[in-house]
Amino acid sequence: NAGVTQTPKFRILKIGQSMTLQCTQDMNHNYMYWYRQDPGMGLKLIYYSVGAGITDKGEVPNGYNVSRSTTEDFPLRLELAAPSQTSVYFCASSYGHLGGIDTQYFGPGTRLTVL
Amino acid sequence: KQEVTQIPAALSVPEGENLVLNCSFTDSAIYNLQWFRQDPGKGLTSLLLIQSSQREQTSGRLNASLDKSSGRSTLYIAASQPGDSATYLCAVRGSNSGYALNFGKGTSLLVTP
Repeated sequence: NAGVTQTPKFRILKIGQSMTLQCTQDMNHNYMYWYRQDPGMGLKLIYYSVGAGITDKGEVPNGYNVSRSTTEDFPLRLELAAPSQTSVYFCASSYGHLGGIDTQYFGPGTRLTVL
Repeated sequence: KQEVTQIPAALSVPEGENLVLNCSFTDSAIYNLQWFRQDPGKGLTSLLLIQSSQREQTSGRLNASLDKSSGRSTLYIAASQPGDSATYLCAVRGSNSGYALNFGKGTSLLVTP
């Protein structure tokens, strides 16, 4: 199993440009998540999905969009990049067990710089 | 809103020492607490998950404890090695916060030979 994969690893965008961060998992997990990590800070949830066709906002959704057309893929779209979106983006997935036994598995991250 | 705090922010120890990393959280209504390891430029690796009904979990040289009523968890690393050098993140899944994990800022650990 490759686990959770993310592309690209690095990207530099100009202000106002758009891009899509790709995330794929091969563990047949129902739940998928997007987090961002700013320097010296903990991770914050952007969006999550509990299954194909179902998405919901997290703590910091402004400036982002997501879709979930398949179980495996959960792309994150930035429409009009701003310097405040410079961050490291992590995708994660989990089975979605009820209660306390659900472990999230993380991808290697995408380092995005907006200039 | 759940707040997760990790102390200390950074720690440097000589090889072989036993050490304790601390995590505190403000809302005791949690499903579980996870400890992750993050190497520079890498993703997160789950080390231990403690369910709210559990008091501790062990994996090799790692032992994590949970005191839900006081909002505290500790990660104990025995006989530290240079390969343990990394940032350790504590994350709480609150029963009032849906599916989100609330993360602390992490403890940066350096184990010197």
